[in-house]
Amino acid sequence: GNSVTQMEGPVTLSEEAFLTINCTYTATGYPSLFWYVQYPGEGLQLLLKATKADDKGSNKGFEATYRKETTSFHLEKGSVQVSDSAVYFCALRGLSSGSARQLTFGSGTQLTVLP
Amino acid sequence: DTEVTQTPKHLVMGMTNKKSLKCEQHMGHRAMYWYKQKAKKPPELMFVYSYEKLSINESVPSRFSPECPNSSLLNLHLHALQPEDSALYLCASSQVGLAGVADTQYFGPGTRLTVL
Repeated sequence: GNSVTQMEGPVTLSEEAFLTINCTYTATGYPSLFWYVQYPGEGLQLLLKATKADDKGSNKGFEATYRKETTSFHLEKGSVQVSDSAVYFCALRGLSSGSARQLTFGSGTQLTVLP
Repeated sequence: DTEVTQTPKHLVMGMTNKKSLKCEQHMGHRAMYWYKQKAKKPPELMFVYSYEKLSINESVPSRFSPECPNSSLLNLHLHALQPEDSALYLCASSQVGLAGVADTQYFGPGTRLTVL
């Protein structure tokens, strides 16, 4: 079945530091890949997505590139802000029928950015 | 506009109560979802509706009863819940694309449920 593995958290960075959150996946074919962000006390917000190999998703200074050869979709940001403190979920949507078409989430990575 | 709304924001109920959660979207999406999220965990899929018909039930206990009255509304009826059902309940919606494959899911803010 499909699976997503995210780097263990929590991650604590100083403001303006570089951020990488690793995400690798297991799936057949070419799944769509997503990053969602959850701020404290809120629901999930779509941060970015990529639907085919070598696609780069980007939003709010965050980027992630769909790497088929390494089955990865790492999230990066060049300079984090305190307001980026949140939980980040990597997810995939498979292409098979039934439940496999639904989202499979990673375990989430808590990011705290200190001023 | 990619807004999914959920009411109420918070709900406290006893184990003998009956309550309902409501979700609404006006994006023309034809797939709607209920998820349960426990603290520090990813969301777990409960139900999927596609074109107002229940298409997936992830073996959810019968004390949770979903309902999709029309393409914009999704309800979750709650009855005789247990304290371990306390969680954040998230609603999401998406387009239904080619061959019935769901498109990007957009989530609501959630209802924080506490069962006493």
